[in-house]
Amino acid sequence: GAVVSQHPSRVICKSGTSVKIECRSLDFQATTMFWYRQFPKKSLMLMATSNEGSKATYEQGVEKDKFLINHASLTLSTLTVTSAHPEDSSFYICSARIPWGTDTQYFGPGTRLTVL
Amino acid sequence: AQKITQTQPGMFVQEKEAVTLDCTYDTSDPSYGLFWYKQPSSGEMIFLIYQGSYDQQNATEGRYSLNFQKARKSANLVISASQLGDSAMYFCAMREDPYSGAGSYQLTFGKGTKLSVIP
Repeated sequence: GAVVSQHPSRVICKSGTSVKIECRSLDFQATTMFWYRQFPKKSLMLMATSNEGSKATYEQGVEKDKFLINHASLTLSTLTVTSAHPEDSSFYICSARIPWGTDTQYFGPGTRLTVL
Repeated sequence: AQKITQTQPGMFVQEKEAVTLDCTYDTSDPSYGLFWYKQPSSGEMIFLIYQGSYDQQNATEGRYSLNFQKARKSANLVISASQLGDSAMYFCAMREDPYSGAGSYQLTFGKGTKLSVIP
């Protein structure tokens, strides 16, 4: 099956710092990737759709200046949480879309962000 | 109205038994896809099975099968011969494909069902 990696798996940072999370499709090219946030015992909440070579599309209520997304290549999308605060602490998970066949999204292993 | 409804917050099943996880959906698009994902405690989302709205037969993948009842708008996941490793959260999701072709390919997820397999 398709493999998506995410790095780092865990990060702890101080309030006010920025954190970058990488999402890579390892064995396929992904023109579209998605970023989700998941609170404990809750479902996934879509934050934004990342398209290679163009600006990301953010969901309503998601601050684009706070959550910067860059999809610079067909295998890499990055999410940067700028000036992180404790309320940004969460589980962030990305997915990459394979647009043929069943048009399935494959997910990375997720990143646990803790902001002190 | 919720687009994906999973009415079972938690389920228990005896090891080696079969279990059905419920999922109902709501869409007006004739073309859509239905997915099931498994999320163990480690957090990764594992793709299990897919059913297209035009598929005539129920999807099967190993021990997983999807009981697709289009008229009732239900897409229940059946896990046969449960194993301890099946203990996890299970999410049902839908991708809608509008006629206009302007679909965003986004998935809408249900709230999930926590399955616990008892030895």
